[in-house]
Amino acid sequence: KQEVTQIPAALSVPEGENLVLNCSFTDSAIYNLQWFRQDPGKGLTSLLLIQSSQREQTSGRLNASLDKSSGRSTLYIAASQPGDSATYLCAVKEDRGGSNYKLTFGKGTLLTVNP
Amino acid sequence: DAGVTQSPTHLIKTRGQQVTLRCSPKSGHDTVSWYQQALGQGPQFIFQYYEEEERQRGNFPDRFSGHQFPNYSSELNVNALLLGDSALYLCASSLRGNQPQHFGDGTRLSIL
Repeated sequence: KQEVTQIPAALSVPEGENLVLNCSFTDSAIYNLQWFRQDPGKGLTSLLLIQSSQREQTSGRLNASLDKSSGRSTLYIAASQPGDSATYLCAVKEDRGGSNYKLTFGKGTLLTVNP
Repeated sequence: DAGVTQSPTHLIKTRGQQVTLRCSPKSGHDTVSWYQQALGQGPQFIFQYYEEEERQRGNFPDRFSGHQFPNYSSELNVNALLLGDSALYLCASSLRGNQPQHFGDGTRLSIL
């Protein structure tokens, strides 16, 4: 059974700091990995999606890496801003030969960026 | 271009009642997935509908059922509500199931 773990559970940093969020998964047979952002009481906004054959993806100040063999991904946020404050969720889609469609999520990291 | 829309936004029910939640997928999408997110937890997969049939189901009891209509919209039904069913219910849509899923803002269900 796939399990996704995110560390740390919560993180508080001053504005301008670079930071790294961690995600690990137990079964390396994944189709892709996705990072989401969730604001309080809201739905999920997709930030980056990395296919299993890729090593990293970048969007603006965000960079996500994937090491499938070790079951790890990191989300790097450069020059953090108060508007980055949210919960960040990691999710994997397992590769089951085309018969799996669900995402398996971690519990998330609650990020607070202080002005 | 409308994204995924869910209704209602909030709902309060009592134990034993039944509830129906609704989802309209993003334009151009034909697949709808439902997730349950308890407070402080990550979303848990309930099921996915494609071509009006349940294609995959997570570890949820039969009290949770769904439907997909010819216009690709979907309903999630929960019978015999329990206090533990209190959660944010998220709908996600995609194209044919293996494309990235787009999420709605969810329905907050509170059971008293």
